[in-house]
Amino acid sequence: DAGVTQSPTHLIKTRGQQVTLRCSPKSGHDTVSWYQQALGQGPQFIFQYYEEEERQRGNFPDRFSGHQFPNYSSELNVNALLLGDSALYLCASRTTRLSTDTQYFGPGTRLTVL
Amino acid sequence: KNQVEQSPQSLIILEGKNCTLQCNYTVSPFSNLRWYKQDTGRGPVSLTIMTFSENTKSNGRYTATLDADTKQSSLHITASQLSDSASYICVVSFTSGTYKYIFGTGTRLKVLA
Repeated sequence: DAGVTQSPTHLIKTRGQQVTLRCSPKSGHDTVSWYQQALGQGPQFIFQYYEEEERQRGNFPDRFSGHQFPNYSSELNVNALLLGDSALYLCASRTTRLSTDTQYFGPGTRLTVL
Repeated sequence: KNQVEQSPQSLIILEGKNCTLQCNYTVSPFSNLRWYKQDTGRGPVSLTIMTFSENTKSNGRYTATLDADTKQSSLHITASQLSDSASYICVVSFTSGTYKYIFGTGTRLKVLA
């Protein structure tokens, strides 16, 4: 049973560029959330996708957008990158089919913006 | 305002010693509280989960307690090992139409030989 997977592991971009991060949820999970974690800080909620729609959104600008595919996998897109976007980006998945809110986290993608 | 505060911010202990990490929250309506362990550069891994009615939950050398009246939780690590060096994050979830999660900023634990 595969857990949450993310790709790529590491990424280096320059200011102004665009980036796409990918996440495959744990088998059987249908809800995907994305988090940004700056160094030394706790994860900050970006948004959550369910049934291919954005259901919740944190306090992040429109430069951050996402998508969920029919197979429940998800992408996080960040446009016009800023230095402050450098962080570990975490994907977490859960299932709505059980009476539990347990999220499982992926290993993260380390994004460095130069 | 829904908040989760953790203390201390960082901690250094010697291998074999015990330690206790604290989590205070002001989240309502409370659903559950989780402690996660996060190794550097990796995703968080769940250690324990407690609902409103649970006072304590153990996972090996990790024991979490919850006082729902004072809105405090602690994570006690017994006989620490070098591999316990990590960040420990307290997460409180609540329901507002759907599940939402409030993350603490974590406690960075360093275990020295």
